[in-house]
Amino acid sequence: DVKVTQSSRYLVKRTGEKVFLECVQDMDHENMFWYRQDPGLGLRLIYFSYDVKMKEKGDIPEGYSVSREKKERFSLILESASTNQTSMYLCAGATSGDEQFFGPGTRLTVL
Amino acid sequence: GESVGLHLPTLSVQEGDNSIINCAYSNSASDYFIWYKQESGKGPQFIIDIRSNMDKRQGQRVTVLLNKTVKHLSLQIAATQPGDSAVYFCAENITVGNQFYFGTGTSLTVIP
Repeated sequence: DVKVTQSSRYLVKRTGEKVFLECVQDMDHENMFWYRQDPGLGLRLIYFSYDVKMKEKGDIPEGYSVSREKKERFSLILESASTNQTSMYLCAGATSGDEQFFGPGTRLTVL
Repeated sequence: GESVGLHLPTLSVQEGDNSIINCAYSNSASDYFIWYKQESGKGPQFIIDIRSNMDKRQGQRVTVLLNKTVKHLSLQIAATQPGDSAVYFCAENITVGNQFYFGTGTSLTVIP
């Protein structure tokens, strides 16, 4: 089975903290994605990557950065967490032209 | 960005009945569509997909219909079961960059 794993299911951080969300996939996917999911807004793309050390901004990149040092790992970084970044974060992996496989999600609360 | 929307945010059906969940998309260049199911506390799971060269595709108890003329996608679930209760998303693929755009979701509740 395809596995996309995320480092934490639940995370609570304070305003101003630096936050790392880790995502690992075991299917050798070229493409990896980070989304946030909020009620009534659906999934919104934050950043994506087509290859190691490569990144592209999605629809809502402000306040976030990413890192892809290895093919299987794609990290989302909140440089200085804010309360409006409280959300469900979903990572996905995909081979070009095919479906995206999602991880279980990380529910982040910023106090 | 692209607009992918669902006509109804919530849907309640009796166990055993058929369910139909609808989705509208706006980009006529989109060529790949997916339906995902998301249960509470979990990530979205692939249900079925369809490419733009097809009008209909069937899986186990599920059928996806694509009407490119009106840019409409639907998911039909036959003999709906309590385990089908979840939020269902459609996703539209813009080929360049393999980006997907997701609808806001329809919450399906199956009444026993």
